[in-house]
Amino acid sequence: DAKTTQPNSMESNEEEPVHLPCNHSTISGTDYIHWYRQLPSQGPEYVIHGLTSNVNNRMASLAIAEDRKSSTLILHRATLRDAAVYYCILRERINTGTASKLTFGTGTRLQVTL
Amino acid sequence: DTAVSQTPKYLVTQMGNDKSIKCEQNLGHDTMYWYKQDSKKFLKIMFSYNNKELIINETVPNRFSPKSPDKAHLNLHINSLELGDSAVYFCASSLGQGGYNEQFFGPGTRLTVL
Repeated sequence: DAKTTQPNSMESNEEEPVHLPCNHSTISGTDYIHWYRQLPSQGPEYVIHGLTSNVNNRMASLAIAEDRKSSTLILHRATLRDAAVYYCILRERINTGTASKLTFGTGTRLQVTL
Repeated sequence: DTAVSQTPKYLVTQMGNDKSIKCEQNLGHDTMYWYKQDSKKFLKIMFSYNNKELIINETVPNRFSPKSPDKAHLNLHINSLELGDSAVYFCASSLGQGGYNEQFFGPGTRLTVL
């Protein structure tokens, strides 16, 4: 399984931007970079994904390094509701078909304080 | 309306019993998944079905048997429950199997085996 490395935890003040890093040095050309988050006592929630180019959506931005060996999830203004475990995942193709799977790591626990 | 729903939310049972967890999605997706999150919070895929066909079968004891009666449902039956089966089980769905498709997760079923 393709691996990602993330810091165990990070802290942020409310209303400030947060940059969550992820290393994925063994990424292959067809692996998509996905970010999910899991709020306490809930199922994981999709945040954003990308392949090569930087991506923006209403929740966050994803900055992907040119060599694709690392990426950064950017929350532009953290709120208390953003406190969660953030997972950086490489969505890998299975065998030679179109199927793919998410392999979750340990994620980064984000704490947001007033 | 809930997009991905699971029943029951909590399940407490004795070792050796057989139990089922049900999952339904009303998103019109064609691919569904079962994940297991253990006490250390590791989230691991177990099975995936696409159009009622099994496409992912990770190393899971054969006491676990998924069944997909139609594209909107994926149930998980567990025989001869063991203490180590205690975990939170999440169902998810996506449109297509590809790496560009986000997965939508259900709220989880907390299984406790006594």
